[in-house]
Amino acid sequence: QSVLTQPPSVSGAPGQRVTISCTGSSSNIGTGFDVHWYQHLPGTAPRLLIYSNNNRPSGVPDRFSGSKSGTSASLAITGLQAEDEADYYCQSYDNSLSGYVIFGGGTKLTVL
Amino acid sequence: QVQLQESGPGLVKPSETLSLTCTVSGDSMSSHFWGWIRQPPGKGLEWIGQIYYSGSTNYNPYLRSRVSISVDTSKKQFSLKLTSVTAADTAVYYCARRLGAIYFDFWGQGLLVTVSS
Repeated sequence: QSVLTQPPSVSGAPGQRVTISCTGSSSNIGTGFDVHWYQHLPGTAPRLLIYSNNNRPSGVPDRFSGSKSGTSASLAITGLQAEDEADYYCQSYDNSLSGYVIFGGGTKLTVL
Repeated sequence: QVQLQESGPGLVKPSETLSLTCTVSGDSMSSHFWGWIRQPPGKGLEWIGQIYYSGSTNYNPYLRSRVSISVDTSKKQFSLKLTSVTAADTAVYYCARRLGAIYFDFWGQGLLVTVSS
């Protein structure tokens, strides 16, 4: 069971907007630790999508955006494309047990 | 462009030690953390641990008793050892570069390690 909670799946039609939530607690996101997002296609290396809550690395389209509030964060994808179909993971840091990196359980995005 | 490549045996027997190496290219390894993350079949990502180029380490508290990570900057490699493995340690193992804000910007392609007799 992951420390960060994500919905197992979301879906949307091409061109639509979808959001993926990531819920943490007072020992991680709620303490102020940043949230980061990765896109993962099976058999490939995970790709950094959003870092430090709302920043895009070079090469990531501006259709992807992130936000954070309280003990939760969200990833939004606008103008959905078939190539966006993948697994998405949020990641943060937890200061319990001397501190460790934590991931969400992952969300499967299906483009209808 | 930073590139990472995992290497090691794809099959390990139960109770034995899993040993993997990650080779880094396109980066000097200095001033960065280097980490290991795994993904069991059908499950999500799990952080295993990390090492600073100077050698200081941090481990997942749930794996700490069995994990050891080392670095050899002269070879531009860092390594993972996981002792007393069981079938639950079967996973794709990734190595990655960790930046200061505690996220991973470059990842290896991953290596499937199966624990089976």
